[in-house]
Amino acid sequence: GAVVSQHPSRVICKSGTSVKIECRSLDFQATTMFWYRQFPKKSLMLMATSNEGSKATYEQGVEKDKFLINHASLTLSTLTVTSAHPEDSSFYICSAQGESRNEQFFGPGTRLTVL
Amino acid sequence: AQKITQTQPGMFVQEKEAVTLDCTYDTSDQSYGLFWYKQPSSGEMIFLIYQGSYDEQNATEGRYSLNFQKARKSANLVISASQLGDSAMYFCAMREGRSNFGNEKLTFGTGTRLTIIP
Repeated sequence: GAVVSQHPSRVICKSGTSVKIECRSLDFQATTMFWYRQFPKKSLMLMATSNEGSKATYEQGVEKDKFLINHASLTLSTLTVTSAHPEDSSFYICSAQGESRNEQFFGPGTRLTVL
Repeated sequence: AQKITQTQPGMFVQEKEAVTLDCTYDTSDQSYGLFWYKQPSSGEMIFLIYQGSYDEQNATEGRYSLNFQKARKSANLVISASQLGDSAMYFCAMREGRSNFGNEKLTFGTGTRLTIIP
């Protein structure tokens, strides 16, 4: 299957700072990427759909000004958590849609801890 | 209403036995897709198997097969000859039909934690 990377894999930051997480499709072009959030022992919750060259589509209840998404190229989408608070601590996972609608490849995830 | 329901929060299975993980779904779309992912303790999501709503045959991938019963809206994952490395969380997910390409988001169930006993 195709490879999706995320960077960083783990980040610890202070309250009030901003954190950027990168999601890259390494061996294919992804016009669409997705950002999920997962709390411990819980399921994945979709935050937003990121489309190359256009604004992201956010799910209901997700603050777009807090979770900034930029899909600058066909291989890179970034999620910036602005003014992070401890309640933003979570596991963030991105996925990239392959050439087929039936393919969605996930990155290894980023564990964010806000102190 | 839950779109994806996984009723087994945890399962314990003896090594080498087959195991069935349950998944039921709810959609009014005619075109949809069903996915199973494995999430080991490392956190990565590993794609296992896919079943399209129009596929007449049950999907199979190695030791994984999907028991697709469309009328009952169920898409159970069957793992044959289980191995210790199969211990992980397993998520069922659904992609509902959309007219706009690019909105292929997945809705996940709550997962089943499978533990293989040696």
